[in-house]
Amino acid sequence: KAGVTQTPRYLIKTRGQQVTLSCSPISGHRSVSWYQQTPGQGLQFLFEYFSETQRNKGNFPGRFSGRQFSNSRSEMNVSTLELGDSALYLCASSFESGGYEQFFGPGTRLTVL
Amino acid sequence: GENVEQHPSTLSVQEGDSAVIKCTYSDSASNYFPWYKQELGKRPQLIIDIRSNVGEKKDQRIAVTLNKTAKHFSLHITETQPEDSAVYFCAAPMYSGGGADGLTFGKGTHLIIQP
Repeated sequence: KAGVTQTPRYLIKTRGQQVTLSCSPISGHRSVSWYQQTPGQGLQFLFEYFSETQRNKGNFPGRFSGRQFSNSRSEMNVSTLELGDSALYLCASSFESGGYEQFFGPGTRLTVL
Repeated sequence: GENVEQHPSTLSVQEGDSAVIKCTYSDSASNYFPWYKQELGKRPQLIIDIRSNVGEKKDQRIAVTLNKTAKHFSLHITETQPEDSAVYFCAAPMYSGGGADGLTFGKGTHLIIQP
């Protein structure tokens, strides 16, 4: 089976812009979770989508949003970018919801200037 | 929400020795405890996990133990090798009214294997 893929791998944006990241899960997986990884805060949960529904959201502002399509691919959007949004954004897919047996993608490195 | 504490933040061991990393969690409803290994510049990789209906699970040189009463779980690596050098993360599910949602991660342990 092909692993989790994410595009793009690297992004450079300026403050105030918006960005869309994409995640393709392992075939057959219906859950996609998104995490932000920074040196200071570590790995933090953003949100999880399961069967096109957002199940829960972490403690992030409304500028962070996402969606999931019928083929389980997911996108994450960040609007009005701030310097502090610079991070590695990881998605993880699993067969069942709730964080069980999650497999991570390679991540998208976002730099906000 | 769930709170996961991980210790130590850095662990240096001689090649061939054992390494132990410990985590505590706060939500007694937690029933799943994975460990991830992240090498520099790479994605976190699931190396072992345990569900709350067992107390220990082994896979070759790695094992995880769980003490539900004390709300802590540990990763044990025996006969450490240079390729074990990485950052290791423990995690536990967070819960809302609708069930488990995503994982709360510990801050990570940088394991250094000294030759």
